[in-house]
Amino acid sequence: DAKTTQPPSMDCAEGRAANLPCNHSTISGNEYVYWYRQIHSQGPQYIIHGLKNNETNEMASLIITEDRKSSTLILPHATLRDTAVYYCIVRVAGAGNMLTFGGGTRLMVKP
Amino acid sequence: GAVVSQHPSWVICKSGTSVKIECRSLDFQATTMFWYRQFPKQSLMLMATSNEGSKATYEQGVEKDKFLINHASLTLSTLTVTSAHPEDSSFYICSARPGSRAGELFFGEGSRLTVL
Repeated sequence: DAKTTQPPSMDCAEGRAANLPCNHSTISGNEYVYWYRQIHSQGPQYIIHGLKNNETNEMASLIITEDRKSSTLILPHATLRDTAVYYCIVRVAGAGNMLTFGGGTRLMVKP
Repeated sequence: GAVVSQHPSWVICKSGTSVKIECRSLDFQATTMFWYRQFPKQSLMLMATSNEGSKATYEQGVEKDKFLINHASLTLSTLTVTSAHPEDSSFYICSARPGSRAGELFFGEGSRLTVL
C-alpha cells in the first residue's frame, strides 16, 4: 500500500468546516483513498472513499486532486462529537485487503 | 451500515490466564476478518488475517501460538490470548467487510484487555 502523510494534529472551531489534508504522492492507479476516524476508545469508523472523482456523503466530502497525489477530507460543520483521530489510507479495493493505519490526524473541535 | 460486534468490550485477567475475544458480523457474512492491536497513544497495528475454514495468517512478530485465532463460521472469529502477561494489555479490534460492499471495512467496538 502507498504511504500517506498527515499532520499530527489540527484544531477546528465548532460549527466551522474542518479540512483535513493528506498527501499520497506515490499512489498507484488502482489504489483508492479511504478515510476512517477513531473516537477515543472505540473502533475505527468508515467515513468515505474515492478513486479520482470527488465524493460526498452524509458525513463528509472527499476532494482528490487531479494528479491524485493528495486529498482533503471536509467535515462541513464540525461538532464536538467529531473530535477524533482521522486516518487517510490508500489501498487497492478488493476482497481480503486489510487496512494499514498510519499516525492519522488528531482533530480537536473546540467550542 | 454493516455491523461488527465484539465481546467482551473490556476484560481484566490475572497473569498466566487465557482470554477469548469474539468478533461477530451481525448482518453479513465475512470470509475474512482482521485482528488489530492498539497500544495507548499509538495507531492500530495489524496482527493477523483470519480466514474462514483455514489457518490464520499472522503478521511478522506476532506469535501464533500465543494469539490463537479461530474462524469457524462466516460470522464469527475468535482471538484467544494464551498465558496472558501485563505486556499483552492492549485494545484489540477486529474488522470485516461485507462481500457486497467492495472497499469498506467495518470495525468492531474493540476489546480492552488488562492483565494484572
